[in-house]
Amino acid sequence: EVQLVESGGGLTQPGESLRLSCAASGFTVSNNYICWVRQAPGKGLEWISVIYRDGGTYYAGSVKGRFTISRDNSKNTVYLQMNSLRAEDTAVYYCARAWGNWYLDLWGRGTLVTVSS
Amino acid sequence: DIVMTQSPDSLAVSLGERATINCKSSQSVLSNSNNKNYLAWYQQKPGQPPKLLIYWASTRESGVPDRFSGSGSGADFTLTISSLQAEDVAVYYCHQYYSTPPWTFGQGTKVEIK
Repeated sequence: EVQLVESGGGLTQPGESLRLSCAASGFTVSNNYICWVRQAPGKGLEWISVIYRDGGTYYAGSVKGRFTISRDNSKNTVYLQMNSLRAEDTAVYYCARAWGNWYLDLWGRGTLVTVSS
Repeated sequence: DIVMTQSPDSLAVSLGERATINCKSSQSVLSNSNNKNYLAWYQQKPGQPPKLLIYWASTRESGVPDRFSGSGSGADFTLTISSLQAEDVAVYYCHQYYSTPPWTFGQGTKVEIK
């Protein structure tokens, strides 16, 4: 089955770090474009990062310098390292496949990150 | 960055009636090279991830009922649900992938039953 499964979310304090994982099955992450998209409680969708097939990475301004996207081809998994977390980073984090670097055709179920003291 | 603006923010439609959602981009998402509009629509039900409904502005994703249709070109687009069903209650988002990164989304339109 083709799917993405996120993990690693939880409750953490401001200034702390978390690493999210996005495990893929049924396809190869290194041959695709994988994004992270987040959704704050009751809010809309915000794209935050992408890793390209060639390994290139890009970030939204709201997370640039604090978050790092990476992948482990041997585990077919993409990661999001989140440092210096803030209350406004509280959200459900989804990973999604950008088919052809275009539309997001496959989404995981998401993992909730709560940043609170 | 391309800004996507949807209207209305919410609408209530009777079962079996038509629902229409509009999406406007701050610049054209129509490619001159291939004449394609780089615009997608997603449906998100409570507690679920978004689901791709429409891409290239008017191409239905496999398995999406044909009561869902997308239209428009350039900077103005519409998602139409021709006959609203109870299972269509959700928030709908438009999304441009013409100029990436970043991928940008509309703010969402909540569809409810009247």
